[in-house]
Amino acid sequence: DAKTTQPNSMESNEEEPVHLPCNHSTISGTDYIHWYRQLPSQGPEYVIHGLTSNVNNRMASLAIAEDRKSSTLILHRATLRDAAVYYCIPRRWGAGSYQLTFGKGTKLSVIP
Amino acid sequence: GAGVSQSPSNKVTEKGKDVELRCDPISGHTALYWYRQSLGQGLEFLIYFQGNSAPDKSGLPSDRFSAERTGGSVSTLTIQRTQQEDSAVYLCASSFASPGGETQYFGPGTRLLVL
Repeated sequence: DAKTTQPNSMESNEEEPVHLPCNHSTISGTDYIHWYRQLPSQGPEYVIHGLTSNVNNRMASLAIAEDRKSSTLILHRATLRDAAVYYCIPRRWGAGSYQLTFGKGTKLSVIP
Repeated sequence: GAGVSQSPSNKVTEKGKDVELRCDPISGHTALYWYRQSLGQGLEFLIYFQGNSAPDKSGLPSDRFSAERTGGSVSTLTIQRTQQEDSAVYLCASSFASPGGETQYFGPGTRLLVL
C-alpha cells in the first residue's frame, strides 16, 4: 500500500475553511484516495474519495494534485462537530486489499 | 436510512468469562468487517465476511476469537475466556462495492472492559 504523510495536528477557527493536506508520493495509478475521519469516542466515518478529478460532496471537497502525489481535503466552513482525526488512505479497487489501515492522521481542533 | 448498529454499547466482564458482541449491518451491504481499536491506537482488522464466501479470519488474534454471520446479515463476534488485553472498542463496518474501493460504514462500537 502507498505510504501517506499527514501533519500530526491542525487548528482552525470555527466557520473558516480548513485545508488538510496529505502526501502519497508512492501512490499507484489505480489507487483511489479515500478520506475518513473519527470523532472522539465514535467509530470512523467516511468523508470522500476520488481518483484524479476534484470531488465534492455534502461534507467536503477533495482536491487532487495533477501528479496525484498529494491531495487536500477541504472543509469549507469548519464547525465544532468537525473536530476529529482525519485519515487519508490510498485504496486499490478490486485488489482484495479491503481492510482499512489508518495511519496516524491529522487531529483537527476547531476553535470557537 | 438506518446505519450500522452494534450492541451492547458497553460491556464490562470479568477475566475468563465469554462475551458476545452483535452487529447489524446496513441492509443490502454484502460485506461486513470487524475491527478493534485500543485506546489511542489505530484500527486492527479482525475478520471480513463477503456474501457467501468463506470469511477472511486472518486478523483474529487467537483461537479465543470467533465470528459468525447468519443469513448474510447480522454478525456476532464471540470472545471466549476473556483476558484483560482484550479490552478495547470493537467496531463493526459494512460496505457495498463502489468504484474506487469499498466505502465502509462503521457502527458506534462496543466498548469492552475486562476486569
